Amino acid sequence: SSELTQDPAVSVALGQTVRITCQGDSLSTSYASWFQQKPGQAPVLVIYGKDNRPSGIPERFSGSSSGNTASLTITGTQAEDEADYFCNSRDSSGNHYVFGTGTKVTIL
Amino acid sequence: EVQLVESGGGLVEPGGSLRLSCAASGFTFSTHSMNWVRQAPGKGLEWVSGIRSSSSDTYYADSVKGRFTISRDNAKDSLYLQMNSLRVEDTAVYYCARDFSSGPYLGWFGPWGQGTLVTVSS
Repeated sequence: SSELTQDPAVSVALGQTVRITCQGDSLSTSYASWFQQKPGQAPVLVIYGKDNRPSGIPERFSGSSSGNTASLTITGTQAEDEADYFCNSRDSSGNHYVFGTGTKVTIL
Repeated sequence: EVQLVESGGGLVEPGGSLRLSCAASGFTFSTHSMNWVRQAPGKGLEWVSGIRSSSSDTYYADSVKGRFTISRDNAKDSLYLQMNSLRVEDTAVYYCARDFSSGPYLGWFGPWGQGTLVTVSS
């Protein structure tokens, strides 16, 4: 089965931009979705498809993709953006899905 | 407002069974594919199973195939996960997650319920 690899942790100064990456073979044929999870809470979908945000997700969240790497960019980070972020995509074998290893974002 | 409320979690011995339920409201349940995703304590997310809106197709992670069965009752706006032959490594919070868009099964998981904890231990 496919794997999606993310950096374990990243830190960013308040108001600056942070890019979180997700690497995996399945990303060359499927878009990644991105989820935000705060401690003790359920994950929240923040990006899906090519670069779409569900209603209520701030415009500072955006997604992009190149080859087998997907990226989530937070432009002008806010304190409330401190959380774990997970990517996911369809597995290359069919209607199975795989999540990334997760990235903990710390706002300095 | 879309709401997904899981129930049925608890403590079970290895080899035992448990049935999880997810009650949906605030949207047309019968038009959305649904999923179960789990998260072991302190760990990442793992997709467990998915089911199309009409129950025509079901999908399972290799780690649970043959032991877990996903089903739904569109008349009751409910999703289920029958878990048999439970193992210690099945211990996790189990989330119910809707496919974001109605229609085809796209695997865009949102929104999610608050989860129910399953603990497998002797």
